[in-house]
Amino acid sequence: GNSVTQMEGPVTLSEEAFLTINCTYTATGYPSLFWYVQYPGEGLQLLLKATKADDKGSNKGFEATYRKETTSFHLEKGSVQVSDSAVYFCGAGGTGFQKLVFGTGTRLLVSP
Amino acid sequence: EPEVTQTPSHQVTQMGQEVILRCVPISNHLYFYWYRQILGQKVEFLVSFYNNEISEKSEIFDDQFSVERPDGSNFTLKIRSTKLEDSAMYFCASKGQHNSNQPQHFGDGTRLSIL
Repeated sequence: GNSVTQMEGPVTLSEEAFLTINCTYTATGYPSLFWYVQYPGEGLQLLLKATKADDKGSNKGFEATYRKETTSFHLEKGSVQVSDSAVYFCGAGGTGFQKLVFGTGTRLLVSP
Repeated sequence: EPEVTQTPSHQVTQMGQEVILRCVPISNHLYFYWYRQILGQKVEFLVSFYNNEISEKSEIFDDQFSVERPDGSNFTLKIRSTKLEDSAMYFCASKGQHNSNQPQHFGDGTRLSIL
């Protein structure tokens, strides 16, 4: 089955800093890859996705590229805002009616 | 934009009692899921449901758990005799199409607290 490993948090940054949250996966076949974001007290919201190798998902200034050769899907943003403070989950699977497998989540704290 | 809605937002129950968590998936969706997140831990898959039957379940989903789609709109998770370790946030998700890479849409969750 699929598994996902993502970097431990919390990640603490100042506003306008560059963000990278690492995510790697193991899978049989080629799963779809996702980043979900969870704001305090809320559910999981899809941030971006990629469905095949070399696809780049992007949304709200966040980007991640599906790298088959390194089995990675790292999340990046060039300039973070205080409002980006949340927990970010990397997920794999979801093709057809497959379940999603998530990483442990990475808490991002952005200070003014 | 259509949403997955879950009720209640917070449920407090005595150990050993039965609890039912309710979800209304997005109306034209066909695939339904329950996940849970114990405080501070990862989001874990519990069960998937399609065409009125369970498609897949995890080892967490033992005989104490059941799911049902009692009508055309609700999707419920029942825990028959709750344990302290069932305390978690429970998320419902739904998805529209089979042969696609469309994402699963999640509700805001029900926080279940077992006393």
